[in-house]
This record gives sequence, structure tokens and C-alpha cells, in this order.
Amino acid sequence: QVQLVQSGAEVKEPGASVKVSCKASGFGFSDYYIHWVRQAPGYGLEWMGEINLNSGDTNYARKFHGRVTMTRDTSITTAYMELSGLRYDDTAVYYCARDSMIDPTAIFDNWGQGALVTVSS
Amino acid sequence: DIVMTQSPLSLPVTPGEPASISCRSSQSLMHNGGYNCLDWYLQKPGQSPQLLIYLGSNRASGVPDRFSGSGSGTDFTLKISRVEAEDVGVYYCTQTVQIPYTFGQGTKLEIK
Repeated sequence: QVQLVQSGAEVKEPGASVKVSCKASGFGFSDYYIHWVRQAPGYGLEWMGEINLNSGDTNYARKFHGRVTMTRDTSITTAYMELSGLRYDDTAVYYCARDSMIDPTAIFDNWGQGALVTVSS
Repeated sequence: DIVMTQSPLSLPVTPGEPASISCRSSQSLMHNGGYNCLDWYLQKPGQSPQLLIYLGSNRASGVPDRFSGSGSGTDFTLKISRVEAEDVGVYYCTQTVQIPYTFGQGTKLEIK
């Protein structure tokens, strides 16, 4: 079955960077996209961007341009999201979600368990 | 960015009764292929979101048929024909017609 297993919780200081991983299994890795969505404590969902797992092409939300980098390693079927210049309001649970690849648009059909990133001095 | 507005934000429901959630977008979600790029997700307490409805009205695999989605353009509705205890959580609509994809604020369904 499809599984997305994310890395564990992290505590980072303001200004630092964090890299969250998303290990995929149960499907043809390079046939899909992975999206990253975050959720601040007590708040709703916010889409950050997407990566084509085949080509590595990315699309980022304008809000995160210059601070977010999404990559993948096809040899270990793992996607990564790195966020730099961390601020206190980046404290959130970060989810990876697989795109179903049902045309014509993105549909998040499987989600990771989430990774809590806490920004604290 | 497309703004998604849900109502109500809180929805207390008696088990066995129906429930309805509205989602409105600031721009049409109709794709030029004729599809409405509007999906519904449920986030149960302490869990990751799960897909319920995609492209406006298609139930995801394993979703009970008491859930249905309807609407077109800018106005959409999620209906639960008979609410069960396991349906508690926060329901989100999302648009995927235009990047950045955006979510509604969420509707918290609770059992009376």
C-alpha cells in the first residue's frame, strides 16, 4: 500500500534551516508529484509547493520563494523540503502529500504523518 | 491568490442527522476541460488530512456513500446524509485550478 513516512520533530533557532524528508513506498515513485503543505498550531492548511519526482521540476508558492527548496532522491524514493531563514511563525506541522495524477489537476490522495518543526530560541 | 471561504466554521450535529458545508471561491474553479478543481478533505483529531471528494463530486476510494459533493464555478457544497460519530473533525475545501493552491479555513464538525 502507499506509504509516506516523514522524518521526526525538529527544534530550530530563528534564522536556521530545516530539512524534512518524506520516504515513499508502495507506488512508482517517479510517476508522481509530491506536494508540501503546512499547518501552524491551531490553524488551517497552507500549500507550499510541489515537485515532479521524475524531472525534479518544482513550483513554489510565491510566499516561500527564496526560502524553500524541494528536492528528491529517486535512488531511495525520498522527497525533501528545506526551509531556510526560519522565523517563529514557521512553527508548524509540515506534511508531504502525493498527487494522484488524475487529470487535469492536483489531488492529494495520500499524506504523510506530518513533521513538527518548532522555531524557538 | 484565490480565496476560499467556508461556512459554517463550527457545525454541531446530532448522530443520524444530515450536515452540509458550503465553500465559496473568489474566482471560478472551472478548468478549461470542464472540470471543477475543488476537493474536500477531512482531518480527524490528531491525524493527517484525508481525501474525501475530488473534482467537486467524485468520492475518493473507500469514502462512504453518505458523503457527497456538488456545485460548480464558485459555489460548492459537501453533504453528509447521516452523520456518524466517526465523522468528527475539521473539513477543508481546496482549490487546485491555480497556483498557489489554497484551502478554506476549515469547518469543525462535532457531535451534539
